[in-house]
Amino acid sequence: EIEMTQSPATLSVSPGERATLSCRASQSVSLNLAWYQQKPGQAPRLLFFGASIRATGIPARFSGSGSGTEFTLTISSLQSEDFAVYYCQQYNNWPYSFGQGTKVEI
Amino acid sequence: EVHLLESGGGLVQPGGSLRLSCAASGFIFSDYAMSWVRQAPGKGLEWVSGISGNGGRTYYADSVKGRFTIFRDNSKNSLYLQMNSLRAEDTAVYYCVQDDQTWVVTVGKYWGQGTLVTVSS
Repeated sequence: EIEMTQSPATLSVSPGERATLSCRASQSVSLNLAWYQQKPGQAPRLLFFGASIRATGIPARFSGSGSGTEFTLTISSLQSEDFAVYYCQQYNNWPYSFGQGTKVEI
Repeated sequence: EVHLLESGGGLVQPGGSLRLSCAASGFIFSDYAMSWVRQAPGKGLEWVSGISGNGGRTYYADSVKGRFTIFRDNSKNSLYLQMNSLRAEDTAVYYCVQDDQTWVVTVGKYWGQGTLVTVSS
């Protein structure tokens, strides 16, 4: 099973600042990497698939990059609605696996 | 607009059974693979099971293999998860998830609001 490791566990930032979240896979997942955002009491929402392909309705301030084992989610200028937990997920090999999440807080 | 409505959750004793249902609307159900993803209270996400658009291919996490069965009825636009031999560690919110693809499970494009399953005596 591929292990996904996210860092940091918690990221404290201020509105308007840039946030960089990392996700590392224990073996190559090529470009088969997705990012999700989850707010308290809500279901996750797909942000990116294919490592960098923005899902429908996702603002341009979000960007995804990387390939193989190293991936990054960047939020260029944090808005109040962006404070949430972010998960990465590999879908290169079953069983698909998620990282443990990065909480972005004020 | 895609709408996924889960039902069937509740309190069950260890060793018991439960069947979850997901009613889908707003898209051609048979055109998409579907999955169940769960989240234990205060914890992260776990991909439990998936099924291709025609039901011919299924996927199971090792933690549920042999105990859970995923199936779909495309004539009723519905997805199901039959859960047997339930354990305390199966306690979680179970999300119904629409995929981006038809023949293989890949990503969770749209998610329902989830149904809570609690396994406890």
